[in-house]
Amino acid sequence: NAGVTQTPKFRVLKTGQSMTLLCAQDMNHEYMYWYRQDPGMGLRLIHYSVGEGTTAKGEVPDGYNVSRLKKQNFLLGLESAAPSQTSVYFCASSSTGGDYYGYTFGSGTRLTVV
Amino acid sequence: AQKITQTQPGMFVQEKEAVTLDCTYDTSDQSYGLFWYKQPSSGEMIFLIYQGSYDEQNATEGRYSLNFQKARKSANLVISASQLGDSAMYFCAMREVDTGGFKTIFGAGTRLFVKA
Repeated sequence: NAGVTQTPKFRVLKTGQSMTLLCAQDMNHEYMYWYRQDPGMGLRLIHYSVGEGTTAKGEVPDGYNVSRLKKQNFLLGLESAAPSQTSVYFCASSSTGGDYYGYTFGSGTRLTVV
Repeated sequence: AQKITQTQPGMFVQEKEAVTLDCTYDTSDQSYGLFWYKQPSSGEMIFLIYQGSYDEQNATEGRYSLNFQKARKSANLVISASQLGDSAMYFCAMREVDTGGFKTIFGAGTRLFVKA
């Protein structure tokens, strides 16, 4: 019973490089989310999805793209990484939009852009 | 504009005592949800408690209770009988309706230190 799995767990990128973060959930959840966590700022929503084939922008979407081709996977892409994207990235999923049971979070991806 | 405000960057509490972590929120929606999450030093995010905007009774989950004051737009977390393992970062969050569906936004967090 894996829950939400994020890969990779750590990554160092050079400015301008691209990468994709993968989030996979095995709970048949409709809703999936990508957040970034920076010191003193809590978690900020990047993009989210309310079902297979859907995506929507969150609070800080610039510089990121997402895709939800399969219900269980939610991909976060950085096309041209910048040092400002150095952060810890969390993926989360829920069945009800979060009500009653909250979100199930992955363990996070620590990304450093140099 | 800040929608979730946690005014206490850090809090200290003596083991076995109760502690209240403050949270105020801002929304014009009638239907919304309020949450508290715990983040230990290991980094994972743990869901603690949920309160719906239409719930008349305060939510409780074991040693956690949510003091919901709708008119004041506050949703404070009360931890009773603090334990050393309660030392962690605590985030208040609010689920709101967006054009794309439901989304949850988080406050900046309060770091709780439990003293032996």
